[in-house]
Amino acid sequence: AQSVTQLDSHVSVSEGTPVLLRCNYSSSYSPSLFWYVQHPNKGLQLLLKYTSAATLVKGINGFEAEFKKSETSFHLTKPSAHMSDAAEYFCVVTGSSNTGKLIFGQGTTLQVKP
Amino acid sequence: ETGVTQTPRHLVMGMTNKKSLKCEQHLGHNAMYWYKQSAKKPLELMFVYSLEERVENNSVPSRFSPECPNSSHLFLHLHTLQPEDSALYLCASSQGGVRGDSPLHFGNGTRLTVT
Repeated sequence: AQSVTQLDSHVSVSEGTPVLLRCNYSSSYSPSLFWYVQHPNKGLQLLLKYTSAATLVKGINGFEAEFKKSETSFHLTKPSAHMSDAAEYFCVVTGSSNTGKLIFGQGTTLQVKP
Repeated sequence: ETGVTQTPRHLVMGMTNKKSLKCEQHLGHNAMYWYKQSAKKPLELMFVYSLEERVENNSVPSRFSPECPNSSHLFLHLHTLQPEDSALYLCASSQGGVRGDSPLHFGNGTRLTVT
């Protein structure tokens, strides 16, 4: 069965410092993996997507994620945090069926301090 | 403008009321979804429609009734809800049907409070 675990429920960084949001997944086949961001009172927005092409995936707003099969990880990083990055981040893996079922992590709240 | 518009943004209803949530997508996608987002819980998939046909009903109680009259519109009809149904209801759409690797485009949600 597919599953996804976001290792931190809350991450706090200072503006201008690097961001690391951790995600581990479990899958019995080669999954597609996503990171979505949700700002307050908004819907989710796609940051980036991995689908078995390059293992380092670049997304919007300077974010990137690296797929590491040996570690079953898909961590999200950004070299320098901006105040506008404060939001909830979701790691997502495709489910086992072909019915559009995605498995969402519980989310990581990113706080950016001035 | 997100491309997926949900109305109303906020809704307060009593347990005996009947109301409907509306979703409209302007992206030309052919699949639409309802998700429920509750505090401290992962997103829960409720319903999926592809080409206007329901392809998944994730064991959702019958007090939630979806309707998809065409590929651009999706409704969620609500009746005799319970307080635990209070949540953010998100609509999403995708291209390429319901393949798991199709990115979802979300609306801003309807914040539902059941009193």
